[in-house]
Amino acid sequence: GQNIDQPTEMTATEGAIVQINCTYQTSGFNGLFWYQQHAGEAPTFLSYNVLDGLEEKGRFSSFLSRSKGYSYLLLKELQMKDSASYLCAVRDEGGFKTIFGAGTRLFVKA
Amino acid sequence: NAGVTQTPKFRILKIGQSMTLQCTQDMNHNYMYWYRQDPGMGLKLIYYSVGAGITDKGEVPNGYNVSRSTTEDFPLRLELAAPSQTSVYFCASSYSGQDEQYFGPGTRLTVT
Repeated sequence: GQNIDQPTEMTATEGAIVQINCTYQTSGFNGLFWYQQHAGEAPTFLSYNVLDGLEEKGRFSSFLSRSKGYSYLLLKELQMKDSASYLCAVRDEGGFKTIFGAGTRLFVKA
Repeated sequence: NAGVTQTPKFRILKIGQSMTLQCTQDMNHNYMYWYRQDPGMGLKLIYYSVGAGITDKGEVPNGYNVSRSTTEDFPLRLELAAPSQTSVYFCASSYSGQDEQYFGPGTRLTVT
């Protein structure tokens, strides 16, 4: 079966660092994506991991451990505009389908 | 480039009515997808296409149909609308299966 787990909500303070975890059990694996979705808007791409390790892109980093079925998204120097939902998504082995988690709603407070 | 465009933005349907949600992309992407997103939930794949003339079912295809006659267009057809189809529908496209997906702005559909 396919299952992706993320915390439902998180709250963090402006300027701080927050880590959003994602665990997955899928029948195949061909990469993991993180998307950001502001309320009432479409998702936008943040990062992609297919090999184990850390990918850094500005204030955002994403980590993958395929053996543990685990990923996290790290957001540094939080800004108010980072308040959004963060969706973890796994691409299946064939590369045709992407399974999305329910998302983590992040609230950034002053 | 307009990217991925969807029409309409909002629609209210009565139970049993039918409609077509339009999706067009101008990035020459081969792959196109339709998702639905219920409140507080992630995206569920309805149908996808890997090129003109080729479509396949996703996780939740019942009650929907698609066609892909051109690279640019991927319309989603709802036949006999039901309240369970009340949702936000997103169309997306990508160059290949390994690439990031670009999403349209969404269509908010209510069936009453």
